[in-house]
Parts: sequence; C-alpha cells; structure tokens
Amino acid sequence: NAGVTQTPKFQVLKTGQSMTLQCAQDMNHNSMYWYRQDPGMGLRLIYYSASEGTTDKGEVPNGYNVSRLNKREFSLRLESAAPSQTSVYFCASSARTGNNNEQFFGPGTRLTVL
Amino acid sequence: QKEVEQDPGPLSVPEGAIVSLNCTYSNSAFQYFMWYRQYSRKGPELLMYTYSSGNKEDGRFTAQVDKSSKYISLFIRDSQPSDSATYLCAMSPYGNKLVFGAGTILRVKS
Repeated sequence: NAGVTQTPKFQVLKTGQSMTLQCAQDMNHNSMYWYRQDPGMGLRLIYYSASEGTTDKGEVPNGYNVSRLNKREFSLRLESAAPSQTSVYFCASSARTGNNNEQFFGPGTRLTVL
Repeated sequence: QKEVEQDPGPLSVPEGAIVSLNCTYSNSAFQYFMWYRQYSRKGPELLMYTYSSGNKEDGRFTAQVDKSSKYISLFIRDSQPSDSATYLCAMSPYGNKLVFGAGTILRVKS
C-alpha cells in the first residue's frame, strides 16, 4: 500500500515552460486535492476533486489546470510557468465518508521556476 | 486578515517540557478541527481530529477547541526531540475543504 504518490519529486523550469505534476492514490478514496505550500503561508488549496469526474477551484487556482483522469489519478498542469509558482506542491486524498474526512498527503514536489 | 492565524515560531523547548500550540480563526462556521504534523521535507500527517467543541486526548497529545472564543490548542506533554516538526492547524465547515494555518515550527532540545 503506497498511499499517495507524486511525481516528480523535484523540478526546475524556465519561465514560460509547461509541465504536469502527477498524483496517484491506492486507497480507493473519492476526493483528491492539490495544495501549494509557501513559507509563512501554510497550505493553500489550488484545486480539488470531490469525486471522479468533478473538479472545483480552491483558493489559488490562477495559472493552473487539473484533470481527474480516473478515481486513482489527479494531475496538476502549469501551462506557462512563472517564478511566482515556485513552491512545494502536495497532493492529498480523502475517503469523504461520515464526519471523519482525514486527508492523506503525498511526499510533495519541489518546483523552482527561474 | 487570514481566516486562520497561527504563530509561525520557531518555538524552542527543552526535552520533557509541556508544549502549547494555538490557532485562532474568524469563520464561525468551522466545525471540524485538525492538527497535522509535518517533518522536514515530508508531507503533513494527521495528528488529532476534533469535531465541534471540547477536548480530545491521545497519549501525550491533547487537542482543545473553544468555539466561543474561536480558539484551538494542541498540548504536548513530556515533549521529545522526535516531536520536533512543524505543526499545522486546519479547519473546515463541512469536513472536506480545509483551511490551514501557517504552521508553527517546534524544536525540542535534548
């Protein structure tokens, strides 16, 4: 049971380049999330998917797009990277049943945009 | 003003001390309150989960929620060097979309 996996672990991009961050979970969870973490800012929600086939914007969606490919996979795409998108990106998933909605996080992707 | 305020620290304490970590919030609709622990260069992991007001204890950890004051706390008894990490509070009105505090860096010195 790998939990939540993310690829790549590290990436350096030049301004204007594009890339896709991959996330997969093997816990049969319905909901998946993408966050970014910046110093002093905590975790901020970029996009989330409550269930397969649905996606919604979070707090900071500008400059990003997402795809819920199937129940297991949720990808985040930067179409034209900017230095302001330098951050650590975390994917999370949750079962979303009852009152307990614990979110399980992946190990993160450290992205630098030059 | 942020919805959730958390002192970033760092908080440095000697081994064996009682640690108090706190968050305040402004949204009275929050009902689900969580504490996550994040070790350096790792993803956050859930430490404590509380629904509505009250206390919850798990080993050396106690979570308190005071909805009337919009204030939550995490207490760590007999702190250990292995407790050194960043502690993030998180909360939600419905249990799905979480709003996180900035995180408090805790250092426990042996």
